[in-house]
Amino acid sequence: ETGVTQTPRHLVMGMTNKKSLKCEQHLGHNAMYWYKQSAKKPLELMFVYNFKEQTENNSVPSRFSPECPNSSHLFLHLHTLQPEDSALYLCASSQARGAVNTEAFFGQGTRLTVV
Amino acid sequence: AQRVTQPEKLLSVFKGAPVELKCNYSYSGSPELFWYVQYSRQRLQLLLRHISRESIKGFTADLNKGETSFHLKKPFAQEEDSAMYYCALTPMDSNYQLIWGAGTKLIIKP
Repeated sequence: ETGVTQTPRHLVMGMTNKKSLKCEQHLGHNAMYWYKQSAKKPLELMFVYNFKEQTENNSVPSRFSPECPNSSHLFLHLHTLQPEDSALYLCASSQARGAVNTEAFFGQGTRLTVV
Repeated sequence: AQRVTQPEKLLSVFKGAPVELKCNYSYSGSPELFWYVQYSRQRLQLLLRHISRESIKGFTADLNKGETSFHLKKPFAQEEDSAMYYCALTPMDSNYQLIWGAGTKLIIKP
């Protein structure tokens, strides 16, 4: 599949579980992002990776741990989450060139429910 | 502080009527502004950006630096325009960070 692919599409986990979200892009982009989309809130940027290096961490709790093994793959490792962490988690990628940030391409998201 | 405000959470208009989705921003420098759209059960995708000055699916948006606005307009709404619309800003001193509005849900009534 071309574009940005996220797995799984749906995930239900207990507060003591450990799980991982996966994102894959085959667009040749050099930047990848994790966003959280909650009801009634703007999209929240969580992490940014550029050329596999984490360049931003928007004060995200340590129970969320990102990993970017290469420029095509991005993971979000989850452990001891809280019910308020239930949300749609979106992955995106873009090709940033100098001062111009090209459009972000999004995956379809993982709907996470913490019980 | 950098901020994007979409004052309307929900906008409902009849088919054929004009549509205007409001977006105001707060940023001291020169931003790049975008409109993204999310149709039902589809992924979030770019609709248009101000630097392109193009019309996509009949939509246009003009950056008004004096009013710090980037309203999205379409003269005649169609039912397939029903979707969630997000306004976003990229500060020119950051390659990566998109600052998002809360979104406006547009419903086109037949």
